[in-house]
Amino acid sequence: SQQGEEDPQALSIQEGENATMNCSYKTSINNLQWYRQNSGRGLVHLILIRSNEREKHSGRLRVTLDTSKKSSSLLITASRAADTASYFCVPYLTDSWGKFQFGAGTQVVVTP
Amino acid sequence: EAQVTQNPRYLITVTGKKLTVTCSQNMNHEYMSWYRQDPGLGLRQIYYSMNVEVTDKGDVPEGYKVSRKEKRNFPLILESPSPNQTSLYFCASSWTGGVQGYTFGSGTRLTVV
Repeated sequence: SQQGEEDPQALSIQEGENATMNCSYKTSINNLQWYRQNSGRGLVHLILIRSNEREKHSGRLRVTLDTSKKSSSLLITASRAADTASYFCVPYLTDSWGKFQFGAGTQVVVTP
Repeated sequence: EAQVTQNPRYLITVTGKKLTVTCSQNMNHEYMSWYRQDPGLGLRQIYYSMNVEVTDKGDVPEGYKVSRKEKRNFPLILESPSPNQTSLYFCASSWTGGVQGYTFGSGTRLTVV
């Protein structure tokens, strides 16, 4: 399978807490991308980390990548109710040109 | 505003009645793709297009057709819809096959009765 596998499947936290989710994949990647989907809405591209990068930040998001373990993590700091969504990681494979697969995602619920 | 526009947003139709879901992007992206999303199955790729007149099957192409006559448009055609095609459909576009990330449309919720 070319898709990433997110863990945990579901995460429930309170506003202000940090949310961490992990992603594992199986083959060599060009980059790894994280997307967010609010219920029933289109996916939104959050952040992209290249295979030669180890960490990247964007606002309250922090992404790490460990290519030796074929894993990535997404940290959302100081969560807000608006962060309630499903989060997907997509490993962009070196030879995946055109094929772009999504896993089941991590469903995050942030309660006030 | 850079966007991918799908129409319609909601559609209820009957089995066997041909329908088209339109998708248009204003970013001059070469690459476009269609996905369906079903509970428990996640997003699955139906078809994709690397450029005008170039299309290829994704993971679940059966029962669907696409065309790419213009760069900005990538319609999804259901020649004879069946109830198992009831789903939430998304169109997406990108530069260079998605290596820099996709832009998604807002989705089309299709119900086939």
